[in-house]
Amino acid sequence: EAGVAQSPRYKIIEKRQSVAFWCNPISGHATLYWYQQILGQGPKLLIQFQNNGVVDDSQLPKDRFSAERLKGVDSTLKIQPAKLEDSAVYLCASSLAGGAYEQYFGPGTRLTVT
Amino acid sequence: KNQVEQSPQSLIILEGKNCTLQCNYTVSPFSNLRWYKQDTGRGPVSLTIMTFSENTKSNGRYTATLDADTKQSSLHITASQLSDSASYICVVSAKFSGGYNKLIFGAGTRLAVHP
Repeated sequence: EAGVAQSPRYKIIEKRQSVAFWCNPISGHATLYWYQQILGQGPKLLIQFQNNGVVDDSQLPKDRFSAERLKGVDSTLKIQPAKLEDSAVYLCASSLAGGAYEQYFGPGTRLTVT
Repeated sequence: KNQVEQSPQSLIILEGKNCTLQCNYTVSPFSNLRWYKQDTGRGPVSLTIMTFSENTKSNGRYTATLDADTKQSSLHITASQLSDSASYICVVSAKFSGGYNKLIFGAGTRLAVHP
């Protein structure tokens, strides 16, 4: 079974630029998550999708971050404009459904904002 | 406030030795507790998941315990190997109305196993 795919793996941008990350979840997984993991900290949930609907985006900085999952499969996370404090690893995870189902994580995208 | 605290923050042990990592949580309403292993540059991988009624669960050389009364969990690693060098993250799931589960992550314990 293929795992969660993410691209790019690394990205370096200057502050105020925009950037987009892509995630392809495990086939058949209805729930998709985007996490932000700052160095030395645990992941923080940014947004959770159930199919193509948003379940939880309470910690998403909506003035600069946006995410979509138009066809209920793959998803993109965008930052515009980026700030220095956005430097982090952005992890995508998927699960069969929400609730207590196991979450499977992708390798992450390491973003450096200079 | 829902929080998960882990200790120690980092740990160095010699290959072949055992170690125990700690997790304290203040999460309500509790659904389950998970331990993840995160290798450098990779996403977290699940080691164990325990519900309220489970006291212990093993996965090879990894054994997790849960005391729901004191809201504490531990992860014991037996006969450590160099490949155990990683961050170990304790994650507690809170279950809200409508069946929605939210994961609260600890900051992790960074383990280094030296030869």
